[in-house]
Amino acid sequence: SAVISQKPSRDICQRGTSLTIQCQVDSQVTMMFWYRQQPGQSLTLIATANQGSEATYESGFVIDKFPISRPNLTFSTLTVSNMSPEDSSIYLCSGARSQQETQYFGPGTRLLVL
Amino acid sequence: GQNIDQPTEMTATEGAIVQINCTYQTSGFNGLFWYQQHAGEAPTFLSYNVLDGLEEKGRFSSFLSRSKGYSYLLLKELQMKDSASYLCAVREGASGYALNFGKGTSLLVTP
Repeated sequence: SAVISQKPSRDICQRGTSLTIQCQVDSQVTMMFWYRQQPGQSLTLIATANQGSEATYESGFVIDKFPISRPNLTFSTLTVSNMSPEDSSIYLCSGARSQQETQYFGPGTRLLVL
Repeated sequence: GQNIDQPTEMTATEGAIVQINCTYQTSGFNGLFWYQQHAGEAPTFLSYNVLDGLEEKGRFSSFLSRSKGYSYLLLKELQMKDSASYLCAVREGASGYALNFGKGTSLLVTP
């Protein structure tokens, strides 16, 4: 399995600001993904982080709001831009060594926007 | 796209067996996963099925029928620590191998 860490673990932010969340994997993974989990809800995929190219976003999520970087096979960042209270959520990254292997999740970043 | 359904809540007694069902509709099926999530924590991988049949891992088993679009997670010898949310997730090759999650089943184990 892959061990995934995220920073920060939690943050409280003001409306209109941006926060960048980091995701670090202890070994190289082919696939990395970013999910959002709103209070009491299940996980919703935001985007697939592609190494060396632009992320692939799901319907309802756009690059201007959630820019993603993936400079190498062990690291990715997700930025939540121009935040509003509706962005308050847990943001989780996941990784898998290959398309056919299990996804493992980071511990999540709890974001509260005031 | 996918439609993944599982019960919202279930209650079971310590020491008993509980079965959590999951039905799905998808094209390009590439595997079904079960995760456990305790409140405030990240999802933890439990099991994976890509072929029909039963996969057993200790107290946990998972079954898949691709023709019926149906899976279940079976938890035996329930313990209080099994109280958690259980998430059914389907991987679809056409969607870049990401997971699409059901809404989760909140399981409460009572003494």
